[in-house]
This record gives sequence, C-alpha cells and structure tokens, in this order.
Amino acid sequence: RKEVEQDPGPFNVPEGATVAFNCTYSNSASQSFFWYRQDCRKEPKLLMSVYSSGNEDGRFTAQLNRASQYISLLIRDSKLSDSATYLCVVIFNQGGKLIFGQGTELSVKP
Amino acid sequence: GAGVSQSPRYKVAKRGQDVALRCDPISGHVSLFWYQQALGQGPEFLTYFQNEAQLDKSGLPSDRFFAERPEGSVSTLKIQRTQQEDSAVYLCASSLARGLGGGSSYNEQFFGPGTRLTVL
Repeated sequence: RKEVEQDPGPFNVPEGATVAFNCTYSNSASQSFFWYRQDCRKEPKLLMSVYSSGNEDGRFTAQLNRASQYISLLIRDSKLSDSATYLCVVIFNQGGKLIFGQGTELSVKP
Repeated sequence: GAGVSQSPRYKVAKRGQDVALRCDPISGHVSLFWYQQALGQGPEFLTYFQNEAQLDKSGLPSDRFFAERPEGSVSTLKIQRTQQEDSAVYLCASSLARGLGGGSSYNEQFFGPGTRLTVL
C-alpha cells in the first residue's frame, strides 16, 4: 500500500465548477501536510499547507482530518488556469523529506 | 532572485552508460533533496543533504546511484551503468534549513526544473 494515496484522475470539469480532491496517508505519526501543484512538464510548486483547523486561500480550501488520516482540497469557481496536476504531500518526521501521492490531474474546460 | 537550477535539462543515454546530473540550489540554502519522478507518478525521495553531509540516502534505488555535495552547495547525482528503468525526471529541491523548524514550521522546498533522463 502506498504511503500517500490520492483519487485517481483525470478530473474534467467546466469553468466555474467546484471540484474536490481527496487523499489518505498511512503513517499516523505524520507531522505536516501540503498540496503542491505541478503544471505539465514543470516542477512542483507549493500551493498551500493544510492544518487541522482547515484553511482557505481565495478559491482554495484545504482540510485535514487526523483521526481518519484524510486530507482534502476544494477548488471553487474553477478557472482554465487551474488545469494542472495536484499532489498531496506529507512529511513524516523532522528529516523533512516530502512523501508525495501520485497526483490527480485536473482539466478545466471552457 | 535565482531559483534552483539543474543541468542538463534533457539527457539521452544508452543503456550501460554513466550519467551525472547537476543541481545548483538557491544560494544560502542548507538543505538539498533529490527526487525521482516516473511518468504519471508523484516524485519519490532519493536522498537528502544538510550542507555537505548526506543525512539520508534511503531512497536511492540501487548502488548504481550515488550523490555528493562536497562543498555544501552544488550537488551531483551520478547513475552508473544506466538501465531503462532509470528513465525519469530527476528533481532537485533546496530549502533554507531542515524540513521542519522550530514549532514544526515548514521550511519550504523549492524545486528546480528537473533533468529528464531517457535511457535507450
């Protein structure tokens, strides 16, 4: 079983739609959680950190449920520019190496 | 300012050939990470340096893979006797300090554009 698992993609949605991505992680001792965004043939970039209290950044909302070992990302009012692969990322320990899920591809269509 | 740079951006190697991939981290960044990303997958951790010390090499897939950072700045990932399964994008990332700082704050890892390695 992979340490971080994500919804299989691709997600094809129209502009303006709301889309949700889910992710589960296996190590209950995981310390920090993130969503990264990766455009086609580009490097991953940090989208947002994820906190137990939930956090919002404009149209993006991230949630963490430690009891269920579950992370989510909600994108409201999708834009064409949101088309990318979204990577769920976990840090297990102080060493800081990032553990990535396989990514979920989002395609927003006009 | 300048980000993380990697060279070459693309490398085609014949099976059995040795390759060397270079990473120039952001100036002043203490921590440096190498990841391997296969097609359609998320990046997977290979190895981690803090300054010149290689603190974790648990992700290196075989003894054909070797990484160094002799002066605590530029790093080189070397793959000996390349195999077809080594074909992937090799990503380097650097951060100001080790992964989690005081109060478990995250020291963001900034990624380079990667080297796309194709082994024929």
